Amino acid sequence: DTEVTQTPKHLVMGMTNKKSLKCEQHMGHRAMYWYKQKAKKPPELMFVYSYEKLSINESVPSRFSPECPNSSLLNLHLHALQPEDSALYLCASSQDPRMGQPQHFGDGTRLSIL
Amino acid sequence: AQTVTQSQPEMSVQEAETVTLSCTYDTSESDYYLFWYKQPPSRQMILVIRQEAYKQQNATENRFSVNFQKAAKSFSLKISDSQLGDAAMYFCATPFGNEKLTFGTGTRLTIIP
Repeated sequence: DTEVTQTPKHLVMGMTNKKSLKCEQHMGHRAMYWYKQKAKKPPELMFVYSYEKLSINESVPSRFSPECPNSSLLNLHLHALQPEDSALYLCASSQDPRMGQPQHFGDGTRLSIL
Repeated sequence: AQTVTQSQPEMSVQEAETVTLSCTYDTSESDYYLFWYKQPPSRQMILVIRQEAYKQQNATENRFSVNFQKAAKSFSLKISDSQLGDAAMYFCATPFGNEKLTFGTGTRLTIIP
């Protein structure tokens, strides 16, 4: 069973659309992450939320806008994306990464930009 | 710079045989944690094994074990009795003591029936 739930599993959108990706975890983890992953490559970190506050933004373009409404939920709002943004978007959570607690990943959202 | 290197882009192994995936890293930290993650074609990233750098004993999880050599900064993964379900991308990763996971470039493992 996946402890980190991501919706939708697949998303196709035009460059002018606005859509959102959703991630949910009920493990009480304090840190939540968004990653972008291209085929056959490792995940690239985009954002980190710690205790519901944005702690790391890896210089991600403003067309990606993260939101953490509560400790269990993480959203990624998408607007005016480019074809190169097509990728697998992974969400993860961790109880305490500094103390070596591993990240738990969701199944991802496969995003295609037309 | 803190880096993680996986020098084997692809590996293959006969079913039921043993295979070792290599990982080296560079850090000036003395206390850190190391992970191996597996990502099958179904795409969910799954934790395989975790090693604490201050422990000399190598971590083991069923058919998966590591050879951790702290002085050499090496963290290889051994898979015994390989099964078809082991086919996946394997990533070595470490947070180097902070919130960010640094991943290696991955090794694609193929299991030959």
